[in-house]
Amino acid sequence: SYELTQPPSVSVSPGQTARITCSGDALPKQYAYWYQQKPGQAPVLVIYKDSERPSGIPERFSGSSSGTTVTLTISGVQAEDEADYYCQSADSSGTSVVFGGGTKLTVL
Amino acid sequence: EVQLVESGGGLVQPGGSLRLSCAASGFTVSSNYMSWVRQAPGKGLEWVSVIYSGGSTYYADSVKGRFTISRDNSKNTLYLQMNSLRAEDTAVYYCARSSVGYCSSTSCYEFWFDPWGQGTLVTVSS
Repeated sequence: SYELTQPPSVSVSPGQTARITCSGDALPKQYAYWYQQKPGQAPVLVIYKDSERPSGIPERFSGSSSGTTVTLTISGVQAEDEADYYCQSADSSGTSVVFGGGTKLTVL
Repeated sequence: EVQLVESGGGLVQPGGSLRLSCAASGFTVSSNYMSWVRQAPGKGLEWVSVIYSGGSTYYADSVKGRFTISRDNSKNTLYLQMNSLRAEDTAVYYCARSSVGYCSSTSCYEFWFDPWGQGTLVTVSS
């Protein structure tokens, strides 16, 4: 079955830039989406279609795509950004929804 | 305000059944694509099922034949009927409105999920 690979953890200091990657063979053909999940809360969409930001999401969140890797970038990280981040996409057929394993962002 | 509120979770024995509900407000369930996504304790997210606005339904292989997604238009509510439950079905179950990039004559593509409900915990254990 198709898999999306994320690093288990990323750590940054406040004010620095955090980059969280997600790799998958079908990513050149399929859009990626990113969700933020804080402890005990439901996921929140922060990026859709690789790089679009939903209304209400701070501008410091951005997304990009290059080949088989997509990246969520958080510029000027704040303490409130500490959370788990999940990428989501589809397999090459486009019909199976797949989530990455998640990345825990720690703000030092 | 768009809101989703799940209910119906609880403790059930292996082989048992449970029906989850997801009450929507601020939009019409029947005019949207609606999904269930689950998260086992300490684990990642897993898509479970989707119902299209036209009524077509799709399931993850892990639940196919055991779970049924449906909706009640008069109550603006989404449901997930779960039968033959297994220990590995233990998870928080979220309902989510699904957006779609495009649809062909047979299927839809480029799903994403926004917003999500707060989730309801299902524990399958003897």
